Amino acid sequence: DTEVTQTPKHLVMGMTNKKSLKCEQHMGHRAMYWYKQKAKKPPELMFVYSYEKLSINESVPSRFSPECPNSSLLNLHLHALQPEDSALYLCASSQAPGRQLNYGYTFGSGTRLTVV
Amino acid sequence: KQEVTQIPAALSVPEGENLVLNCSFTDSAIYNLQWFRQDPGKGLTSLLLIQSSQREQTSGRLNASLDKSSGRSTLYIAASQPGDSATYLCAVTSEGGSEKLVFGKGTKLTVNP
Repeated sequence: DTEVTQTPKHLVMGMTNKKSLKCEQHMGHRAMYWYKQKAKKPPELMFVYSYEKLSINESVPSRFSPECPNSSLLNLHLHALQPEDSALYLCASSQAPGRQLNYGYTFGSGTRLTVV
Repeated sequence: KQEVTQIPAALSVPEGENLVLNCSFTDSAIYNLQWFRQDPGKGLTSLLLIQSSQREQTSGRLNASLDKSSGRSTLYIAASQPGDSATYLCAVTSEGGSEKLVFGKGTKLTVNP
């Protein structure tokens, strides 16, 4: 299995809703990432987990709450989002912190989020 | 602060043409450079990864080169096909302990039948 799987593929939520995005990989990777991509822009890093611990938070608003329950799973909990949070949310993984230097990153297909 | 620039922003070519996409980065202290492909509304597909000690990597009709000292990389696509139409993103991992992948804004390629 050489994939990063993201669910759901599409999500529409109201500003008062609570929802979660899920990311899963079974490649034994120990570093996982959340990126946000707006239309016609490159991906922007949100969070990095290394060995299931949060190592980087790029000053993301608290309405986004990441969670890494185990080495294969990464969640992004969403609450009280704004319409400007509508974007493609991408999950990525790499072999281990530092190992991406040799083996690069594997990205999922993303979740298209629309906040209404 | 590392900055990555891709030129051109968009490119339209007839089928069968060979083409080159360009990527430049401001800080030559990188660990590696990765080329990705992104179809509209989809995730990123890794095409080629070049380590800082390498000069080029090849996969099928794709060839990526790296000149670390001058801060440049090129992605060469031979005998382009309509299925190659996508946005191509270049990204670097810089030295200094950061785990950030810094992306360029991409080149949108259209291959016309």
